[in-house]
Amino acid sequence: EAQVTQNPRYLITVTGKKLTVTCSQNMNHEYMSWYRQDPGLGLRQIYYSMNVEVTDKGDVPEGYKVSRKEKRNFPLILESPSPNQTSLYFCASSPRTGGSWDTEAFFGQGTRLTVV
Amino acid sequence: GQQLNQSPQSMFIQEGEDVSMNCTSSSIFNTWLWYKQDPGEGPVLLIALYKAGELTSNGRLTAQFGITRKDSFLNISASIPSDVGIYFCAGLYYGGATNKLIFGTGTLLAVQP
Repeated sequence: EAQVTQNPRYLITVTGKKLTVTCSQNMNHEYMSWYRQDPGLGLRQIYYSMNVEVTDKGDVPEGYKVSRKEKRNFPLILESPSPNQTSLYFCASSPRTGGSWDTEAFFGQGTRLTVV
Repeated sequence: GQQLNQSPQSMFIQEGEDVSMNCTSSSIFNTWLWYKQDPGEGPVLLIALYKAGELTSNGRLTAQFGITRKDSFLNISASIPSDVGIYFCAGLYYGGATNKLIFGTGTLLAVQP
């Protein structure tokens, strides 16, 4: 089954304790990205990656890191989480079609993070 | 940064009614997308629009890419209870090494049987 898998689904942590949220896709997609969803703000892009070892900042990258060492995996790293990073996080992947980038077609089920 | 204004914020309707929601932007987009998010799930793509003026249907859903490339609307006809959820518009622009997807703030749809 084609899917994007995020882990964990739920996480409660304390301020300053480094954490990683994993994301894996089994569709051989080139493009992957991370979003956070907050009430009244919709989904905002944190980072994206157009291919292995190619990453770039989205609209709200502060406090986050990513890596893309393999095509299928795109982990989100919070080196020193703070309470304002409490949010619902989504990973997404999309294929590239022809000469242009395709649309965001597949989202993971989300990771609800609480930082206390 | 860029913003998408999505309206209405919420809708409470009776089963069988038609629904309309729209998104506007101050920026031009290459592609408009409409997603639906069920509780506890990630967004699922409903319709993608690639050309200005394009009108596309997917079952009871119809969406249009505005001529100015700064707006889009989504219509749902004859709503049913499973239409309940949050609907998001999203605008995508890409050129060279840049690829950005901007989401609207969402429309919460409630359908009463």
